Amino acid sequence: QKEVEQNSGPLSVPEGAIASLNCTYSDRGSQSFFWYRQYSGKSPELIMFIYSNGDKEDGRFTAQLNKASQYVSLLIRDSQPSDSATYLCAVNRGNQFYFGTGTSLTVIP
Amino acid sequence: EAQVTQNPRYLITVTGKKLTVTCSQNMNHEYMSWYRQDPGLGLRQIYYSMNVEVTDKGDVPEGYKVSRKEKRNFPLILESPSPNQTSLYFCAISGGATDTQYFGPGTRLTVL
Repeated sequence: QKEVEQNSGPLSVPEGAIASLNCTYSDRGSQSFFWYRQYSGKSPELIMFIYSNGDKEDGRFTAQLNKASQYVSLLIRDSQPSDSATYLCAVNRGNQFYFGTGTSLTVIP
Repeated sequence: EAQVTQNPRYLITVTGKKLTVTCSQNMNHEYMSWYRQDPGLGLRQIYYSMNVEVTDKGDVPEGYKVSRKEKRNFPLILESPSPNQTSLYFCAISGGATDTQYFGPGTRLTVL
């Protein structure tokens, strides 16, 4: 069983819509949870991190964590064409980090 | 701003020819890590280091070595590269094992 699973997509949403990205993780010992954005050929860049159950908002982005369900999500409100990228979910357990394979998002103008 | 540099950015080499990819940081962060990224497999951790002289295996350490002789540098060594090590490699740093990681620009390695 993979440590982190994401729907690979592609996910397409119209400009201005809400994009919803989901991630599940297998180990209940996972401590920290991250969302990264990666443009093609570039390095991952952090969008948000979340440590506690509930929601965390930062601008157009909201991360949601449900430890009981082992589920992390990222909502992007008012999606823009510049949000088109691959979104990576990552979890930390012990001293290691585990990444999902990413969800490709396309925002259609 | 966290800065991570990797060299070289691109490398084409042949099977068995030893190579080193360097990683350097300007943030005095304790935690440094190497990943490889392959289509369909995502980012996988190769090795990580909690501090100087402290290194440990990640998920895919076979065929790689690392060293951490000083805090700012964390080179990745391929003693005898093989074609299955053709990949995109990223170095990452963070303030601690549970903290946000910042990634270098990546090194695209091709082993013929």
